[in-house]
Amino acid sequence: GNSVTQMEGPVTLSEEAFLTINCTYTATGYPSLFWYVQYPGEGLQLLLKATKADDKGSNKGFEATYRKETTSFHLEKGSVQVSDSAVYFCALRDNQGGKLIFGQGTELSVKP
Amino acid sequence: GAVVSQHPSRVICKSGTSVKIECRSLDFQATTMFWYRQFPKQSLMLMATSNEGSKATYEQGVEKDKFLINHASLTLSTLTVTSAHPEDSSFYICSARIGVTGQPQHFGDGTRLSIL
Repeated sequence: GNSVTQMEGPVTLSEEAFLTINCTYTATGYPSLFWYVQYPGEGLQLLLKATKADDKGSNKGFEATYRKETTSFHLEKGSVQVSDSAVYFCALRDNQGGKLIFGQGTELSVKP
Repeated sequence: GAVVSQHPSRVICKSGTSVKIECRSLDFQATTMFWYRQFPKQSLMLMATSNEGSKATYEQGVEKDKFLINHASLTLSTLTVTSAHPEDSSFYICSARIGVTGQPQHFGDGTRLSIL
C-alpha cells in the first residue's frame, strides 16, 4: 500500500542554518505530494505541494521537488528562523480515493 | 478563505462520559470531511471519511460504535466519542474538502481530549 517515510527528529538547528528534511514515498500511480506544518497545539497548515514529477513546490522560503526517479520529496530552506520551529509532515494523496497519508512527522527546533 | 473551525479546542472529562466534537467549514461547503487522530509525537491517523448526507466510511480498526460521526449538513460534521476512557485521550483533528478528490483538504486546529 501507499506509505510515506520521513527522517526522524528532532532536528535542532541554529538560526540561519540550512534545512533539509528527507521524505520518501511508496505509491502506485502518480500521487500528489504535500508538506504540512503543525505549530504547537494547532492543526495542520499546508506549506507547499507538487502534483506531478519534477514539479517544485515553494512557499515562505521552503522548497521541495517531486522526484519520481528517487520517489522523494525532500523539504529544504536556505536559512531557517526561530519562527520555523514546528513539526513538519510529508504526505501523499492518491488521486483515486483522495485520502491523505502522512509520514510520522519531523520536529524542527531552531535556536537563536 | 477556506477556514475550518473545530470546537471545543480542549476538553477534560471523566471516564464514561460521551464527548462531542464539532467541525465546521466557515466560508465554504464541504462535501467531504475527514477525522484524524494524533498521538503524542506521532503522525495523523485517518479514522473516517464522511460525506454529507451519507454514512461515514471508517478505516480498518476504528470502532464505529465508539466513534460516531454525523455529517448532517455541508458545513458541519460531528465526532462523538461514546463512553470515553483514558485510552481515548488524544488530539483529534478534522479536515474539510470542497467537492471532488483533487481539491485540497483544509484542517481545523484540533481538539485535545483528556479523559480522567
